[in-house]
Amino acid sequence: SQKIEQNSEALNIQEGKTATLTCNYTNYSPAYLQWYRQDPGRGPVFLLLIRENEKEKRKERLKVTFDTTLKQSLFHITASQPADSATYLCALDPSGNTPLVFGKGTRLSVIA
Amino acid sequence: EADIYQTPRYLVIGTGKKITLECSQTMGHDKMYWYQQDPGMELHLIHYSYGVNSTEKGDLSSESTVSRIRTEHFPLTLESARPSHTSQYLCASSEASGSVNEQFFGPGTRLTVL
Repeated sequence: SQKIEQNSEALNIQEGKTATLTCNYTNYSPAYLQWYRQDPGRGPVFLLLIRENEKEKRKERLKVTFDTTLKQSLFHITASQPADSATYLCALDPSGNTPLVFGKGTRLSVIA
Repeated sequence: EADIYQTPRYLVIGTGKKITLECSQTMGHDKMYWYQQDPGMELHLIHYSYGVNSTEKGDLSSESTVSRIRTEHFPLTLESARPSHTSQYLCASSEASGSVNEQFFGPGTRLTVL
């Protein structure tokens, strides 16, 4: 069956460290993968998109990698801050014109 | 800030009531979606629309219906609310054209059915 897995439900790290979140998928061949941030009680907010022919994408302190062989995307936040504490969701479009499929998310807590 | 709005933000109702959750967007997006999300849990797609007069059911059968009479408006109706419908309901939209399907989410409606 098709599924998306995010490595852990919760991740705690010290302020200033790099947070690394994992998204694995099976039985999909997505053209791109997206990452969203969700704060408690609010809707997700789009952060980054990476295409299948891109190995890496950066935006300020954020970096996303995409390995279509491993069927895995890594999401990094460098120099993490307490304000980065949130749930991060990965999502992919199974066939190019179907609704996004979202992972369950990883709840990141950055401790000062 | 995305221009997508949901009302009401919070709703507490009794079992058996009919309710409509409103969602509007001012971005001219053709694609719109409804998701259900329990606290700490994943998003479940319940309905989506790719344009006026087009609606599809998602993965989760929530005993709800939707309509898409105008591009900007995508209301969700529960004919007879039950306690199992207690959840957060999120509306989203995205552009129809292009290969990027970035979704813009509304603030959500927190529904409690007693």
